[in-house]
Amino acid sequence: EPEVTQTPSHQVTQMGQEVILRCVPISNHLYFYWYRQILGQKVEFLVSFYNNEISEKSEIFDDQFSVERPDGSNFTLKIRSTKLEDSAMYFCASSGGGSSYNEQFFGPGTRLTVL
Amino acid sequence: DAKTTQPNSMESNEEEPVHLPCNHSTISGTDYIHWYRQLPSQGPEYVIHGLTSNVNNRMASLAIAEDRKSSTLILHRATLRDAAVYYCILLSTGNQFYFGTGTSLTVIP
Repeated sequence: EPEVTQTPSHQVTQMGQEVILRCVPISNHLYFYWYRQILGQKVEFLVSFYNNEISEKSEIFDDQFSVERPDGSNFTLKIRSTKLEDSAMYFCASSGGGSSYNEQFFGPGTRLTVL
Repeated sequence: DAKTTQPNSMESNEEEPVHLPCNHSTISGTDYIHWYRQLPSQGPEYVIHGLTSNVNNRMASLAIAEDRKSSTLILHRATLRDAAVYYCILLSTGNQFYFGTGTSLTVIP
Protein backbone atom coordinates (compact mmCIF):
# COMPACT_ATOMS: atom_id res chain seq x y z
CA GLU A 1 0.00 0.00 0.00
CA PRO A 2 1.44 3.40 -0.93
CA GLU A 3 2.51 5.58 1.98
CA VAL A 4 3.94 8.97 2.81
CA THR A 5 7.54 8.85 3.98
CA GLN A 6 9.50 11.42 5.92
CA THR A 7 13.20 11.91 6.61
CA PRO A 8 14.91 12.16 8.95
CA SER A 9 12.91 10.51 11.71
CA HIS A 10 14.72 12.65 14.29
CA GLN A 11 16.63 15.90 13.75
CA VAL A 12 18.60 17.66 16.45
CA THR A 13 19.77 21.18 15.75
CA GLN A 14 21.14 24.22 17.49
CA MET A 15 19.00 27.30 17.92
CA GLY A 16 19.43 29.66 14.99
CA GLN A 17 20.35 26.93 12.51
CA GLU A 18 18.41 26.17 9.38
CA VAL A 19 16.70 22.79 9.00
CA ILE A 20 15.03 21.12 6.07
CA LEU A 21 12.49 18.41 6.70
CA ARG A 22 11.79 16.14 3.78
CA CYS A 23 8.70 14.28 2.71
CA VAL A 24 7.86 12.01 -0.19
CA PRO A 25 4.09 12.15 -0.71
CA ILE A 26 2.09 9.41 -2.39
CA SER A 27 3.00 9.56 -6.05
CA ASN A 28 -0.29 10.51 -7.71
CA HIS A 29 -1.42 12.93 -5.03
CA LEU A 30 -1.86 16.61 -5.79
CA TYR A 31 -2.35 18.25 -2.39
CA PHE A 32 0.41 18.43 0.20
CA TYR A 33 0.41 19.59 3.79
CA TRP A 34 2.60 20.18 6.81
CA TYR A 35 1.41 19.94 10.39
CA ARG A 36 3.21 20.09 13.68
CA GLN A 37 2.51 18.68 17.12
CA ILE A 38 4.30 20.02 20.15
CA LEU A 39 4.74 17.30 22.75
CA GLY A 40 1.50 16.68 24.61
CA GLN A 41 -0.46 19.17 22.52
CA LYS A 42 -2.82 18.98 19.57
CA VAL A 43 -1.91 18.65 15.92
CA GLU A 44 -1.67 22.10 14.29
CA PHE A 45 -2.02 22.91 10.61
CA LEU A 46 0.89 24.81 9.10
CA VAL A 47 0.46 24.98 5.34
CA SER A 48 -1.16 23.40 2.32
CA PHE A 49 0.35 23.30 -1.15
CA TYR A 50 -1.29 22.69 -4.50
CA ASN A 51 -0.27 23.28 -8.08
CA ASN A 52 3.20 24.41 -7.01
CA GLU A 53 2.05 27.12 -4.71
CA ILE A 54 0.84 27.63 -1.16
CA SER A 55 -2.95 27.43 -1.06
CA GLU A 56 -3.45 28.12 2.64
CA LYS A 57 -1.27 28.78 5.64
CA SER A 58 -1.86 29.28 9.33
CA GLU A 59 -0.59 32.10 11.50
CA ILE A 60 2.13 29.76 12.75
CA PHE A 61 3.62 29.64 9.25
CA ASP A 62 5.52 32.91 9.39
CA ASP A 63 8.49 34.15 7.37
CA GLN A 64 10.79 31.65 9.09
CA PHE A 65 9.03 28.82 7.27
CA SER A 66 9.00 27.95 3.60
CA VAL A 67 7.90 24.97 1.54
CA GLU A 68 9.09 23.69 -1.76
CA ARG A 69 8.51 20.88 -4.18
CA PRO A 70 11.95 20.82 -5.76
CA ASP A 71 11.27 17.87 -8.03
CA GLY A 72 8.42 15.57 -8.89
CA SER A 73 8.60 13.57 -5.70
CA ASN A 74 9.90 15.52 -2.69
CA PHE A 75 8.06 18.10 -0.60
CA THR A 76 10.19 20.01 1.88
CA LEU A 77 9.64 22.26 4.87
CA LYS A 78 12.46 24.66 5.67
CA ILE A 79 12.79 26.50 8.94
CA ARG A 80 15.27 29.28 8.37
CA SER A 81 16.44 30.08 11.89
CA THR A 82 15.16 27.61 14.42
CA LYS A 83 13.93 28.63 17.85
CA LEU A 84 13.50 26.50 20.96
CA GLU A 85 9.74 26.61 20.51
CA ASP A 86 10.04 24.97 17.09
CA SER A 87 10.77 21.69 18.84
CA ALA A 88 7.90 19.41 17.83
CA MET A 89 6.85 16.49 15.67
CA TYR A 90 6.35 17.61 12.09
CA PHE A 91 3.94 15.62 9.98
CA CYS A 92 3.67 15.73 6.23
CA ALA A 93 0.44 14.65 4.55
CA SER A 94 -0.87 14.31 1.04
CA SER A 95 -4.26 13.81 -0.56
CA GLY A 96 -5.41 12.75 -3.98
CA GLY A 97 -6.78 14.75 -6.84
CA GLY A 98 -10.36 15.46 -7.67
CA SER A 99 -11.30 17.06 -4.38
CA SER A 100 -9.57 18.75 -1.52
CA TYR A 101 -12.06 16.96 0.71
CA ASN A 102 -10.34 13.66 0.11
CA GLU A 103 -8.71 11.84 2.98
CA GLN A 104 -5.24 12.95 3.92
CA PHE A 105 -2.51 10.38 4.30
CA PHE A 106 0.00 11.26 6.99
CA GLY A 107 3.64 10.32 7.23
CA PRO A 108 5.25 8.99 10.41
CA GLY A 109 6.66 12.39 11.32
CA THR A 110 10.03 13.99 11.97
CA ARG A 111 10.87 14.81 15.56
CA LEU A 112 12.70 18.14 15.61
CA THR A 113 14.66 18.99 18.73
CA VAL A 114 16.11 22.49 18.98
CA LEU A 115 18.79 22.94 21.62
CA ASP B 1 -12.40 27.34 12.06
CA ALA B 2 -15.56 25.41 12.71
CA LYS B 3 -15.69 23.99 16.21
CA THR B 4 -16.29 20.45 17.35
CA THR B 5 -16.79 19.20 20.89
CA GLN B 6 -15.78 15.73 22.00
CA PRO B 7 -15.45 14.04 25.39
CA ASN B 8 -11.85 14.05 26.60
CA SER B 9 -11.75 10.32 27.20
CA MET B 10 -13.78 7.12 26.93
CA GLU B 11 -13.28 3.50 27.85
CA SER B 12 -14.50 0.37 26.16
CA ASN B 13 -14.17 -3.33 26.75
CA GLU B 14 -12.41 -5.32 24.09
CA GLU B 15 -14.68 -6.80 21.41
CA GLU B 16 -17.57 -4.54 22.35
CA PRO B 17 -18.96 -1.71 20.20
CA VAL B 18 -17.81 1.84 20.87
CA HIS B 19 -19.79 4.97 20.10
CA LEU B 20 -17.68 8.12 20.00
CA PRO B 21 -19.81 11.28 19.94
CA CYS B 22 -19.02 14.65 18.41
CA ASN B 23 -21.03 17.86 18.55
CA HIS B 24 -20.70 20.42 15.79
CA SER B 25 -23.65 22.74 16.26
CA THR B 26 -22.17 25.50 14.07
CA ILE B 27 -21.60 23.26 11.06
CA SER B 28 -22.32 24.88 7.71
CA GLY B 29 -23.99 23.23 4.74
CA THR B 30 -20.73 22.57 2.88
CA ASP B 31 -18.70 21.21 5.81
CA TYR B 32 -17.62 17.61 5.57
CA ILE B 33 -17.31 15.63 8.80
CA HIS B 34 -13.99 13.79 9.00
CA TRP B 35 -12.72 11.40 11.64
CA TYR B 36 -9.06 10.67 12.14
CA ARG B 37 -7.25 8.80 14.87
CA GLN B 38 -3.75 8.98 16.22
CA LEU B 39 -2.18 5.90 17.72
CA PRO B 40 0.62 6.48 20.24
CA SER B 41 3.79 7.85 18.62
CA GLN B 42 2.27 7.82 15.12
CA GLY B 43 0.87 10.31 12.66
CA PRO B 44 -2.88 10.78 12.32
CA GLU B 45 -4.71 8.14 10.34
CA TYR B 46 -7.89 8.58 8.31
CA VAL B 47 -10.90 6.69 9.62
CA ILE B 48 -13.98 7.88 7.76
CA HIS B 49 -15.78 10.95 6.46
CA GLY B 50 -19.25 11.98 5.36
CA LEU B 51 -21.48 14.89 4.46
CA THR B 52 -25.11 14.06 5.18
CA SER B 53 -25.74 10.33 4.91
CA ASN B 54 -24.45 7.63 7.22
CA VAL B 55 -21.27 6.01 5.93
CA ASN B 56 -19.67 2.61 6.44
CA ASN B 57 -16.21 1.37 5.64
CA ARG B 58 -13.99 -1.47 6.75
CA MET B 59 -12.80 0.45 9.81
CA ALA B 60 -15.94 2.03 11.18
CA SER B 61 -19.37 3.55 10.64
CA LEU B 62 -20.30 7.20 10.79
CA ALA B 63 -23.80 8.15 11.90
CA ILE B 64 -24.73 11.75 11.12
CA ALA B 65 -27.71 13.40 12.80
CA GLU B 66 -30.45 14.63 10.53
CA ASP B 67 -29.72 18.26 11.41
CA ARG B 68 -25.96 17.55 11.06
CA LYS B 69 -25.25 19.19 14.39
CA SER B 70 -23.75 15.99 15.76
CA SER B 71 -22.23 12.75 14.59
CA THR B 72 -21.11 9.46 16.09
CA LEU B 73 -18.19 7.30 15.10
CA ILE B 74 -18.99 3.64 15.68
CA LEU B 75 -16.31 1.00 16.06
CA HIS B 76 -18.22 -2.25 15.85
CA ARG B 77 -15.81 -4.43 17.86
CA ALA B 78 -13.08 -2.60 19.71
CA THR B 79 -9.66 -4.20 19.72
CA LEU B 80 -6.59 -3.25 21.71
CA ARG B 81 -5.19 -1.77 18.51
CA ASP B 82 -8.05 0.74 18.47
CA ALA B 83 -6.69 2.51 21.55
CA ALA B 84 -5.94 5.98 20.21
CA VAL B 85 -7.00 9.60 20.23
CA TYR B 86 -9.97 10.08 17.90
CA TYR B 87 -10.47 13.44 16.25
CA CYS B 88 -13.70 14.75 14.77
CA ILE B 89 -12.88 17.48 12.24
CA LEU B 90 -15.01 19.70 10.06
CA LEU B 91 -13.52 20.41 6.67
CA SER B 92 -14.78 23.61 5.13
CA THR B 93 -13.97 25.13 1.79
CA GLY B 94 -10.26 25.00 1.35
CA ASN B 95 -8.42 22.19 2.95
CA GLN B 96 -7.26 23.15 6.42
CA PHE B 97 -7.77 20.53 9.07
CA TYR B 98 -8.21 21.91 12.56
CA PHE B 99 -7.55 19.20 15.08
CA GLY B 100 -9.13 19.65 18.48
CA THR B 101 -8.05 17.75 21.56
CA GLY B 102 -10.01 14.67 20.51
CA THR B 103 -11.26 11.71 22.57
CA SER B 104 -8.68 9.41 24.08
CA LEU B 105 -10.09 5.88 23.79
CA THR B 106 -8.89 3.22 26.22
CA VAL B 107 -9.70 -0.40 25.36
CA ILE B 108 -9.82 -2.71 28.33
CA PRO B 109 -8.83 -6.34 27.69
